[in-house]
Amino acid sequence: DAGVTQSPTHLIKTRGQQVTLRCSPKSGHDTVSWYQQALGQGPQFIFQYYEEEERQRGNFPDRFSGHQFPNYSSELNVNALLLGDSALYLCASSLRRQHYEQYFGPGTRLTVT
Amino acid sequence: AQTVTQSQPEMSVQEAETVTLSCTYDTSESDYYLFWYKQPPSRQMILVIRQEAYKQQNATENRFSVNFQKAAKSFSLKISDSQLGDAAMYFCAYRSARGGSEKLVFGKGTKLTVNP
Repeated sequence: DAGVTQSPTHLIKTRGQQVTLRCSPKSGHDTVSWYQQALGQGPQFIFQYYEEEERQRGNFPDRFSGHQFPNYSSELNVNALLLGDSALYLCASSLRRQHYEQYFGPGTRLTVT
Repeated sequence: AQTVTQSQPEMSVQEAETVTLSCTYDTSESDYYLFWYKQPPSRQMILVIRQEAYKQQNATENRFSVNFQKAAKSFSLKISDSQLGDAAMYFCAYRSARGGSEKLVFGKGTKLTVNP
């Protein structure tokens, strides 16, 4: 049973560029959440997708957008990258009717230069 | 808005000894979930233990147990018989039980070192 997978593992971008990160949820899961983890900090909630719609959003600007596909996989897009966007981006999946448990992927390390 | 505070940036313990990691949280809600997550140096976050706020009994998972004090809004993690593989960042997290509010709110974490 495959767990949550994310791609790519590492990414280096230049300020002002755009980036797309990808996530495949654990088998059987239908909900995907994205978190940003800055160095030395706890993860911060970006948004959550269920049934291909954004259901809840944290305090992140509109430069951060996402998408969920019919197979439940998800993308996180960040436009006009800033140096401060450098972080580990974590994807977590869950099953909607099992409210409490989220399974995390290994993350994508984004560096903006 | 809910907040989670972990006041111990770093802790260390001798192998086979017991260590307790502290966590406090602030919420006006009465129904919620609390979690401890472990993040080893390889980065993948793993759920260690979960506590439902409506349950008075403290959760236990093998060598891991919690001390949940709802009135004090405190949720500490005790690791017994510490092993080298327990070395990691530990994050305390809060989740509302309210429908439509499924985000996890994390503390800043505690780095646990296990000395042989």
